[in-house]
Amino acid sequence: GEDVEQSLFLSVREGDSSVINCTYTDSSSTYLYWYKQEPGAGLQLLTYIFSNMDMKQDQRLTVLLNKKDKHLSLRIADTQTGDSAIYFCAEEGGNQGGKLIFGQGTELSVKP
Amino acid sequence: GAVVSQHPSWVICKSGTSVKIECRSLDFQATTMFWYRQFPKQSLMLMATSNEGSKATYEQGVEKDKFLINHASLTLSTLTVTSAHPEDSSFYICSAGKTGYEQYFGPGTRLTVT
Repeated sequence: GEDVEQSLFLSVREGDSSVINCTYTDSSSTYLYWYKQEPGAGLQLLTYIFSNMDMKQDQRLTVLLNKKDKHLSLRIADTQTGDSAIYFCAEEGGNQGGKLIFGQGTELSVKP
Repeated sequence: GAVVSQHPSWVICKSGTSVKIECRSLDFQATTMFWYRQFPKQSLMLMATSNEGSKATYEQGVEKDKFLINHASLTLSTLTVTSAHPEDSSFYICSAGKTGYEQYFGPGTRLTVT
């Protein structure tokens, strides 16, 4: 079945870049997503990438996709304390009707 | 924008009672809505897919008679937890599909069953 894996924790200093990694197993995934969750809140869609793309950049966010290795990463440039949150990657499998499979989430801690 | 609301944001109920949670897409129509459950410090677990005008599709292991889902309109889906027990205490999050690939999440509802 589908499986999405992420490392659980990442700690960086304010101003540094953060890189959050994710691996997935469903090679038929059409879209891959990054969501941000702050404590006690729902999920905020940060960005997504179509499976035939290698990279997508959106302001401070850069998504890299290595389809051969089924590896997805999210780079946050100039990380701020407000970026502290849990980041989930998710895949939408082909023919799944929009169903998302989430990773465990990576808790990003930004120290001043 | 794409805003999804949930009501209530938190609820405390007694064991054995039923609780209804509403999920609304405020500025777009959603033919498909999804209900997730999240335990503390854990990922989201998809419970069911709700399609407007038809029966919900439940994930394996989710009791459809316990978690009743109704998707009465293109902007509203409801989840009713029937005969709630303490083990049903959790954070319930809905999402609504705006296009074929964009899914927007509500702020979540924290349910505590005493």
